[in-house]
Amino acid sequence: RKEVEQDPGPFNVPEGATVAFNCTYSNSASQSFFWYRQDCRKEPKLLMSVYSSGNEDGRFTAQLNRASQYISLLIRDSKLSDSATYLCVVNTQSSASKIIFGSGTRLSIRP
Amino acid sequence: IAGITQAPTSQILAAGRRMTLRCTQDMRHNAMYWYRQDLGLGLRLIHYSNTAGTTGKGEVPDGYSVSRANTDDFPLTLASAVPSQTSVYFCASSEGTSDYNEQFFGPGTRLTVL
Repeated sequence: RKEVEQDPGPFNVPEGATVAFNCTYSNSASQSFFWYRQDCRKEPKLLMSVYSSGNEDGRFTAQLNRASQYISLLIRDSKLSDSATYLCVVNTQSSASKIIFGSGTRLSIRP
Repeated sequence: IAGITQAPTSQILAAGRRMTLRCTQDMRHNAMYWYRQDLGLGLRLIHYSNTAGTTGKGEVPDGYSVSRANTDDFPLTLASAVPSQTSVYFCASSEGTSDYNEQFFGPGTRLTVL
């Protein structure tokens, strides 16, 4: 089993829809969690950190469920510009060698 | 401010050749990383450096070496390239390695080994 798993998608949804995807992690000692966004043939960029209490940034909401060991990303009122690959990142401990990237979920928003 | 730069942007290399991928950051970040990204496998850590003068092995270090002589530069060397090293290579940096340190990525180097 992979340490960090994501549904590769693609998720193909109409503009204005709400879409959500999860990321599961296997190490219960994981400390910190992030969502990164990667556009085609570009570098990943931080979308948001995921806090225990959950956090919201505009149309984006991230949640952490420690009991079931997953994080989620919800995108409301999706825009064409949201089309990208979303990478889940888990830091098992405060060490560079323990930062694990998921393989990404591809999202495509259609007009 | 450039952030992180990588060179070259892309390269086609014959198997057996030596190649150094360059990475420079101007943010005075302590930690730097090298990842490779392959389809379906996501980003995998090759080597990292918590601070200038120190380096460590990541998930897939074999066939690669790094050095961190100063804060800004973190070159990645392939001593004798093999076709399985064909990939997109990303360099990244962060202020430190404690929780919630954001990683900033360079634009990537697309390497093809024939």
